[in-house]
Amino acid sequence: QQPVQSPQAVILREGEDAVINCSSSKALYSVHWYRQKHGEAPVFLMILLKGGEQKGHDKISASFNEKKQQSSLYLTASQLSYSGTYFCGTRSNDYKLSFGAGTTVTVRA
Amino acid sequence: DSGVTQTPKHLITATGQRVTLRCSPRSGDLSVYWYQQSLDQGLQFLIQYYNGEERAKGNILERFSAQQFPDLHSELNLSSLELGDSALYFCASSPDNRAEEQYFGPGTRLTVT
Repeated sequence: QQPVQSPQAVILREGEDAVINCSSSKALYSVHWYRQKHGEAPVFLMILLKGGEQKGHDKISASFNEKKQQSSLYLTASQLSYSGTYFCGTRSNDYKLSFGAGTTVTVRA
Repeated sequence: DSGVTQTPKHLITATGQRVTLRCSPRSGDLSVYWYQQSLDQGLQFLIQYYNGEERAKGNILERFSAQQFPDLHSELNLSSLELGDSALYFCASSPDNRAEEQYFGPGTRLTVT
């Protein structure tokens, strides 16, 4: 089942912060975050495994609350290069990765 | 450049036709995944192969089939094409079968007229 992402879109000025949420109705083994720029392929950002860990990639970090089956992606001090569509992918105890509908982030100067 | 290659880049064909999309994974990766991305559906997982064998199946139509060859390249066959099959088809690869970090190819844009 497809995870639910929110918000659908967010517009930021350079230097501002944003949070993207991803939730699932199924028990999760892992949450994966990807970013896709217009006309390009999705690019892997990070994986979070169950255990409530938090990870970071430059000034982009994420958390995973396995009890709530939720993950959040934090964009801190956003840069123009952060613009794109962010997808969360969730995996339960099978090998399938189900992606959310995506959150479009636009960072303006 | 992810190291995953896909051909062709663009494909325009008519309804009812059959096409084959090709994917070569990164060197050393054993798993290949196929995804369909259309405007209203987001990224939809179709199927995964690991070292030549089907590992997981997603929302793949019966008109679609795939295989992974001994040299690990994969092909996705789409037949009896319909207008609704127009989409971007991505292939991704990963080192193992656990659907962890996946590297996406540039995609094949299929237009069915």
